[in-house]
Amino acid sequence: DTEVTQTPKHLVMGMTNKKSLKCEQHMGHRAMYWYKQKAKKPPELMFVYSYEKLSINESVPSRFSPECPNSSLLNLHLHALQPEDSALYLCASSPKSISDTQYFGPGTRLTVL
Amino acid sequence: QKEVEQDPGPLSVPEGAIVSLNCTYSNSAFQYFMWYRQYSRKGPELLMYTYSSGNKEDGRFTAQVDKSSKYISLFIRDSQPSDSATYLCATHTGRRALTFGSGTRLQVQP
Repeated sequence: DTEVTQTPKHLVMGMTNKKSLKCEQHMGHRAMYWYKQKAKKPPELMFVYSYEKLSINESVPSRFSPECPNSSLLNLHLHALQPEDSALYLCASSPKSISDTQYFGPGTRLTVL
Repeated sequence: QKEVEQDPGPLSVPEGAIVSLNCTYSNSAFQYFMWYRQYSRKGPELLMYTYSSGNKEDGRFTAQVDKSSKYISLFIRDSQPSDSATYLCATHTGRRALTFGSGTRLQVQP
């Protein structure tokens, strides 16, 4: 298995909703990432987990809450989002650390109404 | 000044043409260089990975790194309509997360 999977593919939510994005990889990778990508822009790093511990938080608002329950799973919990948070949310993983090549999932397209 | 500069395009070429995509960077500590291909509304897909200077070839794709001029290139031979996508260069020092270029949108016309 050489892929990163993400669910759901699409998500529409209101500003008062709570939802979660899920990411899974079975490549034995120990670093996992959340990125946000707006249209026609490169991905922007949000969070990095290394060996299931949060190692980088790029000053992301607290309405985004990451969680790494085990070495294969990464969640992003969403609460009280704003319309400007609408974007493609990408998960990635790399074998050991941020110095390794990253492999991306297909993304979750989020729309906040 | 951005750490990695990339012309956003769009770059439009006829089918069969040789495509040259380029990035420049400013941080001489960058050592690892990648090219990702991203189709519309999909996640980036790793195409090429190189360490330090030199060339790397994989099928129709050749990645080239010139550290002396801080210039990285991706060449696509015999381009196909299925190559139409956004191409992102990316790099890192080995101690930090990836730094991406802004992406070049490529259109290969049949």
